[in-house]
Amino acid sequence: GAVVSQHPSRVICKSGTSVKIECRSLDFQATTMFWYRQFPKQSLMLMATSNEGSKATYEQGVEKDKFLINHASLTLSTLTVTSAHPEDSSFYICSGGHEAGGTDTQYFGPGTRLTVL
Amino acid sequence: GQQLNQSPQSMFIQEGEDVSMNCTSSSIFNTWLWYKQEPGEGPVLLIALYKAGELTSNGRLTAQFGITRKDSFLNISASIPSDVGIYFCAGQLTYGNQFYFGTGTSLTVIP
Repeated sequence: GAVVSQHPSRVICKSGTSVKIECRSLDFQATTMFWYRQFPKQSLMLMATSNEGSKATYEQGVEKDKFLINHASLTLSTLTVTSAHPEDSSFYICSGGHEAGGTDTQYFGPGTRLTVL
Repeated sequence: GQQLNQSPQSMFIQEGEDVSMNCTSSSIFNTWLWYKQEPGEGPVLLIALYKAGELTSNGRLTAQFGITRKDSFLNISASIPSDVGIYFCAGQLTYGNQFYFGTGTSLTVIP
């Protein structure tokens, strides 16, 4: 299957700092990338949909100025958590949309564990 | 957003037993995906389904796209300890749009 990487895999930062997470599709072009947040023992919560070359679409309740998303190329999307606070601590996962032959699939990255002190 | 009801929420089974889980929705989906997630990792795609009634296998795993297009099923035969994890279904209403995720089924296999 298609491969998506995320970097860093784990980050610990102080409250008030900003953190950037990179999501790359390694062997396919992802016109659309998705950013999720996952709390322990819960399902994935979609934060935003990132389209290459255009502004991201944020889900209701997700602050776009807090979670900055950039999708500069067909293989790279970044999520920046600005002025992070302890409540932003979570597991952040990205996925790349893979469209081929009229079918649609999502491949996930390995996730980034963010801890804000 | 769309709500996918996944059941059971958790399962504790003996090694060697078969496992069945399902996902239902009030909406009609055109794509169903099944994922497995292990602690601290991202979900890994197991099976993708694109046609109503479709039955697809991946090793000991078999998934079916319900004929009504409102549900999907995942079966695991002869479970082994490495099957432990959380299984998620995901459904897509129309091509190119987001996938909605089920609440997950936590599987524990007792050796």
